[in-house]
Amino acid sequence: QLQLQESGSGLVKPSQTLSLTCAVSGGSISSGGYSWSWIRQPPGKGLEWIGYIYHSGSTYYNPSLKSRVTISVDRSKNQFSLKLSSVTAADTAVYYCARVSDSLFDYWGQGTLVTVSS
Amino acid sequence: DIQMTQSPSTLSASVGDRVTITCRASQSISSWLAWYQQKPGKAPKLLIYKASSLESGVPSRFSGSGSGTEFTLTISSLQPDDFATYYCQQYYSYPSWTFGQGTKVEIK
Repeated sequence: QLQLQESGSGLVKPSQTLSLTCAVSGGSISSGGYSWSWIRQPPGKGLEWIGYIYHSGSTYYNPSLKSRVTISVDRSKNQFSLKLSSVTAADTAVYYCARVSDSLFDYWGQGTLVTVSS
Repeated sequence: DIQMTQSPSTLSASVGDRVTITCRASQSISSWLAWYQQKPGKAPKLLIYKASSLESGVPSRFSGSGSGTEFTLTISSLQPDDFATYYCQQYYSYPSWTFGQGTKVEIK
């Protein structure tokens, strides 16, 4: 059974860079046909897709966040990562990693809360 | 960007009720629509894809319909486990996917 687990700093200061990692187990991140994505959810609000990385390494980001987002993959560790720069309080959210299959988010991590505060 | 609008935002219902949630797209998305269920403190779970196809393991009381710009999620007989928030997601505009704002189904 595929499992995803987010990890990273739960508290980030304004203007700094948020960094999260998603460890994938029960399957290879290099498997063809899938991409790997980050989604976030501000407290009490809806879901916002952040971006994805394909198994080949190509990436695509939400245009509203594109200038601040980097998603990368470490195949040796079977994990992928998110960096979001110049954070503000508006970036406070639960961040989820997910597998994407045919544009559907079919496996999700449990989510990790990141708070932006000084 | 394709905007997705759900209604209502909150729905109060009783066990056994038939429940319908609507999702409207700002432009035609054919049948490229999915529904997810999210319980408090948990990640969303895929229920329905391609507007009306049930994900494996999802109870048959869930059904989806629609095409173009208007879609519905129906729960034929609401069960205690179904009280949750439901989100629609369009995947017509690949790879710029967007979600609706969510519909919370609460106990009446």
